[in-house]
Formats: sequence, structure tokens, C-alpha cells
Amino acid sequence: EAGVAQSPRYKIIEKRQSVAFWCNPISGHATLYWYQQILGQGPKLLIQFQNNGVVDDSQLPKDRFSAERLKGVDSTLKIQPAKLEDSAVYLCASSLEYGGASFYNEQFFGPGTRLTVL
Amino acid sequence: GNSVTQMEGPVTLSEEAFLTINCTYTATGYPSLFWYVQYPGEGLQLLLKATKADDKGSNKGFEATYRKETTSFHLEKGSVQVSDSAVYFCALGKAAGNKLTFGGGTRVLVKP
Repeated sequence: EAGVAQSPRYKIIEKRQSVAFWCNPISGHATLYWYQQILGQGPKLLIQFQNNGVVDDSQLPKDRFSAERLKGVDSTLKIQPAKLEDSAVYLCASSLEYGGASFYNEQFFGPGTRLTVL
Repeated sequence: GNSVTQMEGPVTLSEEAFLTINCTYTATGYPSLFWYVQYPGEGLQLLLKATKADDKGSNKGFEATYRKETTSFHLEKGSVQVSDSAVYFCALGKAAGNKLTFGGGTRVLVKP
């Protein structure tokens, strides 16, 4: 079974430029997550989708970050304009479903995109 | 809210030494507990997990036991290798919203 795919793996941009990351989740996984992992810290959830709807974007800096999941499969995360503090690894994860109150559905992570903002 | 606290690194060991990384959590109910490993330049990999109290997760010589009474999930390995050098993250998974909460990570460096 193919895992979570992300591209690009690495990206270097100048501040104030824009950048986009792509994620393809595991086939059949309804829930998709984007995390930001700053060097030396644990991953922090940015946004969570259930199919093509947003269920949690409370930690997403909406003035510069946006994300979409058209057709409930692939997703893109965009930063516009980028700041120096956006340098991080952006991780995409997916799980079977969200909302089951009785148990946690394991999240599976992609390899991440390492963003450097100069 | 939910939180995970793990010991700060870096932890520096010699090959074949015993490794312990402490992890404690705060959560209501019965979360699932995980250890993830991140090798240099790579993404997160699930190392082991436990879904209920007293469960022991194990993989690649690593073990951790879900202790409800002490809200802990300490990671142990009896004899580390240079290839175990990585950052280890303890994490807590909750059913409500299917949220995963990470600790800050512990960097482990194993020297030959």
C-alpha cells in the first residue's frame, strides 16, 4: 500500500515570495492533516480536513497561509507571502476517518517538505 | 487540555548502553500513546504504540508500557546502536477530533 506522498521535498525561497506544497494521502483516507514542525520542536497541527471540508484550522495563520482539498483527495498548502519564521518542515498526514468518539484513528505521515526562507 | 512532556536532550550514549526517554502526559479519558522517530533529514516514522492501560508496545528492540497510574509512557532500549541516533517524539492521540499531540522531542546521539 502506497504511503502519504508529498512534494517537493525541499524548497528554498526568499521572504515575501509565495510557495505551495502538495500532498496525496493514502487511498481511502478521509481525513487529512497539515503540520508545521519548526526545528527543535514537535509538529504543530495547522489544519485538518474531513473529505473536502475543514474541521479545524484554529492554528492556521490565515493572513498568509491557505489550504484546500478539492475533491476530497489531494491537498495543497500555500504560503503567501512567506516570512523568515515560516522556515520549517511541513508534514502531511492522513487517517481513515475523523469523529469516531470511541477510538483514535492512527495518522500516517508523509516524508515532509523542508522549507527554507532566506 | 491535552499535553505531553518528555525529557529534554540531547542524550548522548555509547554504543550498547541502555536508553531511557521519559514521557508523561496529561489527558482525560483513555488516550492512545505513541513513540515516533525522526532520523536526520527524514520524516516521522511510527516506532511503537499502545492503545490501553498496561499495554506494552515494542519494535526494533524498543519498548514502552502504558502506565495509567503514573500517566507515563517511557521509552527504553537495552542496547543502543549508532543507527539509533535520531529525534524521538512521544505523542498522545485522542478520539475526539482525532487529534495527535506531540511532545517537544528528545535528540539521542549514540557514539561508537
